[in-house]
Amino acid sequence: DTAVSQTPKYLVTQMGNDKSIKCEQNLGHDTMYWYKQDSKKFLKIMFSYNNKELIINETVPNRFSPKSPDKAHLNLHINSLELGDSAVYFCASSSFGNEQFFGPGTRLTVL
Amino acid sequence: KNQVEQSPQSLIILEGKNCTLQCNYTVSPFSNLRWYKQDTGRGPVSLTIMTFSENTKSNGRYTATLDADTKQSSLHITASQLSDSASYICVVIYFASGGSYIPTFGRGTSLIVHP
Repeated sequence: DTAVSQTPKYLVTQMGNDKSIKCEQNLGHDTMYWYKQDSKKFLKIMFSYNNKELIINETVPNRFSPKSPDKAHLNLHINSLELGDSAVYFCASSSFGNEQFFGPGTRLTVL
Repeated sequence: KNQVEQSPQSLIILEGKNCTLQCNYTVSPFSNLRWYKQDTGRGPVSLTIMTFSENTKSNGRYTATLDADTKQSSLHITASQLSDSASYICVVIYFASGGSYIPTFGRGTSLIVHP
């Protein structure tokens, strides 16, 4: 069983569309994260949720909105997609402050 | 400003050789330092986690060192294998006000092992 799973793995869409990426973890962790990895492979944290509460909200456009329906899920919704949003998005989870386990990533391509 | 700098940016070595990757940081207050391995097309996987009091930690052929005084860490890979070809990312965690742990990522070192 996959510990941290993301869907979809690939997402190709037009500029201006709205899309969502789903993340689920079955590790019983209380903290989940979203990262963006650009073409230069630099991982940048976007959001972190602990027990369904937002604890980290880095400077990202408000077109990005995380939603955590429960401790095992943290979804990322993106409105009005732009070319610069093209990247690989990784979800991760951890027990608060401990090792993070990453999902396989979602490669988003905005045309 | 909290920063993590890694060197070299890329490295090519022959199979069987050893190599050392460097990580310097200015993150404070320090909680722990982690090395991750990221294979192409996959998410990062943790290799080692080191706290303030730990100087050396090994995981198979990977050995990480930490000098908290100089704020430097290294990852030494012994007897490299083709499967070691990957990006190695240094992450420093600091304990922020409000009780949250904030990870600061380096840009990674891209290692290529040639046969």
